[in-house]
Amino acid sequence: AQSVTQLGSHVSVSEGALVLLRCNYSSSVPPYLFWYVQYPNQGLQLLLKYTSAATLVKGINGFEAEFKKSETSFHLTKPSAHMSDAAEYFCAVSDNDFGNEKLTFGTGTRLTIIP
Amino acid sequence: GAGVSQSPRYKVAKRGQDVALRCDPISGHVSLFWYQQALGQGPEFLTYFQNEAQLDKSGLPSDRFFAERPEGSVSTLKIQRTQQEDSAVYLCASSSPPSGVPYEQYFGPGTRLTVT
Repeated sequence: AQSVTQLGSHVSVSEGALVLLRCNYSSSVPPYLFWYVQYPNQGLQLLLKYTSAATLVKGINGFEAEFKKSETSFHLTKPSAHMSDAAEYFCAVSDNDFGNEKLTFGTGTRLTIIP
Repeated sequence: GAGVSQSPRYKVAKRGQDVALRCDPISGHVSLFWYQQALGQGPEFLTYFQNEAQLDKSGLPSDRFFAERPEGSVSTLKIQRTQQEDSAVYLCASSSPPSGVPYEQYFGPGTRLTVT
């Protein structure tokens, strides 16, 4: 069974500082990996996805993530945090099974930006 | 509308009542998913439709949960005899056929169900 582990349920960074949100996955097949962001009372929005092409993936709002197979990791980074980045972030994994593309999510990391 | 819509946005039910939650996917999207998100947790998969066919219902927690998508567009998640542990946000997502290209699921805003 696939799973993802997000280390740190809460992360606080100062405005302008580096954002690093950690995600490790477990999968028996080459996975597809995703990062989603959720703002209060809203649905999830896709930030970026890894689909076995380039290992460094660039997403929206200046975020990027690097797939490291040797470390089974897919950490999310942003060089300089903005106040608008405050939200809940979820890492997710999917079998690359086009017959059923359900996502398995981590428990989430709440990002707080300190002015 | 351009996105996935869900109704109602909020639902309060007394324990034992039946509820029905509606999802309108993006027009033309073949795949539709339901997820349950408990407070402070990540979403958990409930069920998956491809057009009107329910291909996976392995995540439904009990036989009190039932989902349908009779015409391959709008979907309804029904919960019978609600219990307090059913309190959660229910998220719907839709996507297009992958056609060999990894897909993106588009999520609705969710329905927050509170069982009292």
